[in-house]
Amino acid sequence: NAGVTQTPKFRILKIGQSMTLQCAQDMNHNYMYWYRQDPGMGLKLIYYSVGAGITDKGEVPNGYNVSRSTTEDFPLRLELAAPSQTSVYFCASSLTGTNSPLHFGNGTRLTVT
Amino acid sequence: KQEVTQIPAALSVPEGENLVLNCSFTDSAIYNLQWFRQDPGKGLTSLLLIQSSQREQTSGRLNASLDKSSGRSTLYIAASQPGDSATYLCAVRDRDDKIIFGKGTRLHILP
Repeated sequence: NAGVTQTPKFRILKIGQSMTLQCAQDMNHNYMYWYRQDPGMGLKLIYYSVGAGITDKGEVPNGYNVSRSTTEDFPLRLELAAPSQTSVYFCASSLTGTNSPLHFGNGTRLTVT
Repeated sequence: KQEVTQIPAALSVPEGENLVLNCSFTDSAIYNLQWFRQDPGKGLTSLLLIQSSQREQTSGRLNASLDKSSGRSTLYIAASQPGDSATYLCAVRDRDDKIIFGKGTRLHILP
């Protein structure tokens, strides 16, 4: 059971380039989340989804887009990368219900230069 | 807008001591509160989850409490060990199913 899988682990982008961070889970979780974590800071919610076809903005959605066409996959798209998007990105998922903990992937470290 | 605050930002204690980490949140309309551990350069591991109807949860040397009406939670670590050194984060799931994190407390246990 792989859990939450994020790819790639590391990426360097030039300013203005675009890329997609991949996130897949094999636990049949309805809820999926994207966070970014800057040095010394907690996690900031970018986007989340409560099921296939449904997405909502989090705390810091500007500069990002998401889609949720299947239960398993929740890709995060960066258009026109900026240095401010240099961060570690975490994907997480959970079952529906108030007693369902959040499961995290290992993160993607992104540098924009 | 839900805001989550963790105090202190950093804490150093000698091995063997008991300690308390604090978490506060501004909107009491939550489904649950979770405590996580993060080691340097790693992902997050769930430690404890307290549902909004519960007052506390225990796992081994860890005990988490929740006072929803006052917007506070504590994580109590008994008989601390050097292996407990990590960053501890709390997060609340609000009624829109957003999960909002605090900035964490960096804990260092001195051997």
